[in-house]
Amino acid sequence: DQQVKQNSPSLSVQEGRISILNCDYTNSMFDYFLWYKKYPAEGPTFLISISSIKDKNEDGRFTVFLNKSAKHLSLHIVPSQPGDSAVYFCAASYNQGGKLIFGQGTELSVKP
Amino acid sequence: DTAVSQTPKYLVTQMGNDKSIKCEQNLGHDTMYWYKQDSKKFLKIMFSYNNKELIINETVPNRFSPKSPDKAHLNLHINSLELGDSAVYFCASSRQRQVGNTIYFGEGSWLTVV
Repeated sequence: DQQVKQNSPSLSVQEGRISILNCDYTNSMFDYFLWYKKYPAEGPTFLISISSIKDKNEDGRFTVFLNKSAKHLSLHIVPSQPGDSAVYFCAASYNQGGKLIFGQGTELSVKP
Repeated sequence: DTAVSQTPKYLVTQMGNDKSIKCEQNLGHDTMYWYKQDSKKFLKIMFSYNNKELIINETVPNRFSPKSPDKAHLNLHINSLELGDSAVYFCASSRQRQVGNTIYFGEGSWLTVV
């Protein structure tokens, strides 16, 4: 039973436009959420995170929104760039010794 | 310098064989992990060690045995390989048991069992 789900396996966006990647979770005990970015043949790298006490966190072109009542978070990339093309993983934790629960990823393609 | 390195990157082996994947981190982190990315693309934690001590052991077959000779190394040994073991295995490390932005992943080891 997957506690973190990313229901869109892929997303294609035009350069300069907004990319919105979505993630849903089922466990209300999760208190920390993260997004990781993964290029082919590389390991995931940390992108941005948000604590459950917040509903928004921004870092440059990347913003993560958290809706606890809906158990939903999203990653907004504005403006999207071709170099953003990668697989994006959503992850959640409830502070159990570093255990992260990952979604299955969404492959973003930003077209020039 | 590679922060978390794992070898081999690609491994093709026959069913029933025993194989090991090695992992080393040069970040001075205390906690190391093994994650498995299965055919459905989910990344799932398998094991976690903190200062050579096992702290997370998910529901993983006994054929998988992690070994941590020191806090900079966490190797994964797999006995009697099965077709379903084919996956990408990621090693990772973090400072203490902190989550999130302190977790660094290796490049992955692609295991194919034929």
